Amino acid sequence: KAGVTQTPRYLIKTRGQQVTLSCSPISGHRSVSWYQQTPGQGLQFLFEYFSETQRNKGNFPGRFSGRQFSNSRSEMNVSTLELGDSALYLCASSPLAGVDEQYFGPGTRLTVT
Amino acid sequence: DAKTTQPTSMDCAEGRAANLPCNHSTISGNEYVYWYRQIHSQGPQYIIHGLKNNETNEMASLIITEDRKSSTLILPHATLRDTAVYYCIVRVVGGAAGNKLTFGGGTRVLVKP
Repeated sequence: KAGVTQTPRYLIKTRGQQVTLSCSPISGHRSVSWYQQTPGQGLQFLFEYFSETQRNKGNFPGRFSGRQFSNSRSEMNVSTLELGDSALYLCASSPLAGVDEQYFGPGTRLTVT
Repeated sequence: DAKTTQPTSMDCAEGRAANLPCNHSTISGNEYVYWYRQIHSQGPQYIIHGLKNNETNEMASLIITEDRKSSTLILPHATLRDTAVYYCIVRVVGGAAGNKLTFGGGTRVLVKP
């Protein structure tokens, strides 16, 4: 069974631009969560989608948004990029919302210049 | 979610057991203990989880104290590939919490030959 895939793996953007990252969960998984990882703040939860609905949201500004499609694939968007948005963005998928473990993708490394 | 406390770092000799402690003194009755690890530049990887009983799988063993205020992850025969940051996480399963994981600083484990 294929793992969680994220595209692109690396991205360089300029301050003020916007960016869209994509995540394809493991087949059959309905929950997709997004995390931001920076050296200073560590791993922080952004939001979770389940069956196309945002179920949970972390403490990030409205510039960070996401969505989930009917095939469970998810995208996250960051508008008006700031230098501090440079980070590794990780996506995790899970079958449901119970005790199941989550499977993380390799991440997208975003650099904002 | 309950806060966890882990040592910042620890070394372990290759082939020996690695015992990673975690304190979660404010854990609630409906919170599970999860362990994930993150090898450099990769997404976190699920290791094991438990509620109150000790658990074992092919990767590790989880020992939870009777009062559930602390736990220990045991890697029975550490290899160089076990060098990683290990995260102890407690979370409510189901309900509004969804699949949100709250990561702390983790323990940086270095396995030495």
